[in-house]
Amino acid sequence: GAVVSQHPSWVICKSGTSVKIECRSLDFQATTMFWYRQFPKQSLMLMATSNEGSKATYEQGVEKDKFLINHASLTLSTLTVTSAHPEDSSFYICSARDLTPGSTDTQYFGPGTRLTVL
Amino acid sequence: EDKVVQSPLSLVVHEGDTVTLNCSYEVTNFRSLLWYKQEKKAPTFLFMLTSSGIEKKSGRLSSILDKKELFSILNITATQTGDSAVYLCVLNAGNMLTFGGGTRLMVKP
Repeated sequence: GAVVSQHPSWVICKSGTSVKIECRSLDFQATTMFWYRQFPKQSLMLMATSNEGSKATYEQGVEKDKFLINHASLTLSTLTVTSAHPEDSSFYICSARDLTPGSTDTQYFGPGTRLTVL
Repeated sequence: EDKVVQSPLSLVVHEGDTVTLNCSYEVTNFRSLLWYKQEKKAPTFLFMLTSSGIEKKSGRLSSILDKKELFSILNITATQTGDSAVYLCVLNAGNMLTFGGGTRLMVKP
């Protein structure tokens, strides 16, 4: 199946710093990628939809100035958590939608990035 | 608003037991229903269901969809400790995925 990678897989940072997380589709082009956040023992929560070449669409309650999303190419989307605080500590997962002709049009998840803000 | 409800929330069984996980949904623009298994990291894909009444099977796992009654079930037979995970039911309604809350399955030796 299709492969999506995330980098880094684990990051610890100090409060007030910014952290960038990359999401790459390795063997298909993804015009649409999604960013999710997961709290312990909870399901995934959609944060935003990242569209290549245009602005991301944020879900209600997600601060777009705090969670900056850039989808500069068909295989790369980045999420930057700006001025991170301890409450931003979470597991961030991206997914990419495979619309290649003949594919099953499903979404493939990256392995996730665990962010810990001290 | 699209909605996905999974039951039970949590389940503890012994190896060899058979379990059935339930997923009911409400949707305005159904495209598919997906089942994922999540252990410590990101979810891994199990099944995609688009048509009613057609069972999808992979080893000891199987799943079926009822689009009239708006639900799906995931069956696991002869459970093993490696089946312990959170199982997510996910609704694909076009460009959006809606996640159920998950069922946490624990299989004891």
